Amino acid sequence: SQQGEEDPQALSIQEGENATMNCSYKTSINNLQWYRQNSGRGLVHLILIRSNEREKHSGRLRVTLDTSKKSSSLLITASRAADTASYFCATYSGYALNFGKGTSLLVTP
Amino acid sequence: ETGVTQTPRHLVMGMTNKKSLKCEQHLGHNAMYWYKQSAKKPLELMFVYSLEERVENNSVPSRFSPECPNSSHLFLHLHTLQPEDSALYLCASSPTGLAFTGELFFGEGSRLTVL
Repeated sequence: SQQGEEDPQALSIQEGENATMNCSYKTSINNLQWYRQNSGRGLVHLILIRSNEREKHSGRLRVTLDTSKKSSSLLITASRAADTASYFCATYSGYALNFGKGTSLLVTP
Repeated sequence: ETGVTQTPRHLVMGMTNKKSLKCEQHLGHNAMYWYKQSAKKPLELMFVYSLEERVENNSVPSRFSPECPNSSHLFLHLHTLQPEDSALYLCASSPTGLAFTGELFFGEGSRLTVL
């Protein structure tokens, strides 16, 4: 069953700008994860934030988590054309890691 | 050698064919997964193998048959598929099984087209 839902569905920005994607989920979680997928390829894990964390950084990525609102955001700073991809949030429901439909990010030079 | 390898990367088959997708992981993990990714839909978990236990999504049709001969190899046997089964099939692995709540390691996927 789908747990996370990303917003917006699509985002187009220019190189150097920041990109922000949001995720909402429905039930309580241990952690929330973000993945990236280049067109037609596999998913690559970006970052995991635990339910007792509010913010986490990894390079140009910044993830926030608000468990009271059941929402998370992924910020990519100083975007590059190579950041063009789909981004998914994911949460566990039982044994299953469930993904949303993703945000498609296009970064133009 | 990448951590999770899927073959073939592309497969075209007719509805009466029988084919198999293969996944191999070189990470020493104990659990493997099959996901289906269709256009405009969220990823759908099809099967999980943890050590020798299998968990399946009850909505997966019986024309999909998984096989996990050991912790490093996972197959998805396909027979009498329908055009709506055309999708990207993704294999993933994790260090431990059903109680695991960390990251999954994905292969590059097998793009299946059913004519």
